[in-house]
Amino acid sequence: QQQVRQSPQSLTVWEGETAILNCSYEDSTFNYFPWYQQFPGEGPALLISISSVSDKKEDGRFTIFFNKREKKLSLHITDSQPGDSATYFCAALGDTDKVVFGTGTRLQVSP
Amino acid sequence: GGIITQTPKFLIGQEGQKLTLKCQQNFNHDTMYWYRQDSGKGLRLIYYSITENDLQKGDLSEGYDASREKKSSFSLTVTSAQKNEMAVFLCASSIYWGRNQDTQYFGPGTRLLVL
Repeated sequence: QQQVRQSPQSLTVWEGETAILNCSYEDSTFNYFPWYQQFPGEGPALLISISSVSDKKEDGRFTIFFNKREKKLSLHITDSQPGDSATYFCAALGDTDKVVFGTGTRLQVSP
Repeated sequence: GGIITQTPKFLIGQEGQKLTLKCQQNFNHDTMYWYRQDSGKGLRLIYYSITENDLQKGDLSEGYDASREKKSSFSLTVTSAQKNEMAVFLCASSIYWGRNQDTQYFGPGTRLLVL
């Protein structure tokens, strides 16, 4: 049973558009949500993260919106660039350091 | 800064073979992890180690063994490779266990193909 779900599985946007990646979870004890970015042939790398006490976290063109009541998050990438083409994983942690990963969204940004 | 090195980069094995994957980190991190990445299934935790000589099973530990003999290295053994198995094995490390907001740093992965 997948505890962290991501949609869509793949997404294509044009350069300059805003890409919206969605994530939902089931376990109400999850309190920390990192997003990882993975390029082909590389391991994932932390992109941005949010704690459950916040409803928004911004870092440049990347913004996480968090809705605790609905157990949903979304990652918005504004002014998308071809270099943003990668797979994005939403992840969740509770009171342990065990990370539960979603299945990922593959983003393609077309020039 | 630091780096995580995984060897080999590619591993081709035969059905039933015992295969060992190695991971080294120079962050001086206490905690290390092994994940398996399958297409469309995200990352699943196989084993983790809170400190040197410690081993903890993850959700996918059956069919694997692990060894943490030094703080800087963490090995994973596939005890009996399954025919047509194809996956990427990712090693990661973090500073301590017990602070869930510590970043996990990942290596580039070992790509396994079993013929």
